[in-house]
Amino acid sequence: GDSVTQMEGPVTLSEEAFLTINCTYTATGYPSLFWYVQYPGEGLQLLLKATKADDKGSNKGFEATYRKETTSFHLEKGSVQVSDSAVYFCAHASNTGGFKTIFGAGTRLFVKA
Amino acid sequence: EPEVTQTPSHQVTQMGQEVILRCVPISNHLYFYWYRQILGQKVEFLVSFYNNEISEKSEIFDDQFSVERPDGSNFTLKIRSTKLEDSAMYFCASRGEGSNQPQHFGDGTRLSIL
Repeated sequence: GDSVTQMEGPVTLSEEAFLTINCTYTATGYPSLFWYVQYPGEGLQLLLKATKADDKGSNKGFEATYRKETTSFHLEKGSVQVSDSAVYFCAHASNTGGFKTIFGAGTRLFVKA
Repeated sequence: EPEVTQTPSHQVTQMGQEVILRCVPISNHLYFYWYRQILGQKVEFLVSFYNNEISEKSEIFDDQFSVERPDGSNFTLKIRSTKLEDSAMYFCASRGEGSNQPQHFGDGTRLSIL
């Protein structure tokens, strides 16, 4: 069945370090891919998206490229800030039925000053 | 930017009681969803709703759950007889037409069952 697998956390980095959070998916066809972010005590915010192969989604210095050949959508940021501390969820939209979103387990990121 | 709003932000209920969680989706959206997130766990799909009917539901969404769009703006999730394991954060989401549209989520309602 459709699923999303992302690297386990927590990930702890120092400010200005490079971030990679790995994400792979299984799905029927070619779903749209998303990264959502959840700051402490808040809801889910869409961080970026990509809708077809080789698309690069980007926002707030974060990037992720839709890799069809490896069914991956890894999240990267060149220089993290303390304010980036949050839980990051990789997700894809089902192509069938009600187009539900299927989430990975989430990766908690801690950034130290 | 329009957003999805949920009320209340926190609901405390005795086990066995009925609870209704309320959501106001983005006004021109056509697809509506409920998800839940048990503390520290992943976000799980509950149900999707389109054209005034359920389009898909998960195994979590049993007979104790129901959804309704009673008017043109609200979308509600009812749990008829709450259990301890229903304690979770419940997120409402909506999306517009088109298969590539992302879902927009509300800030959630934290449901605590005592």
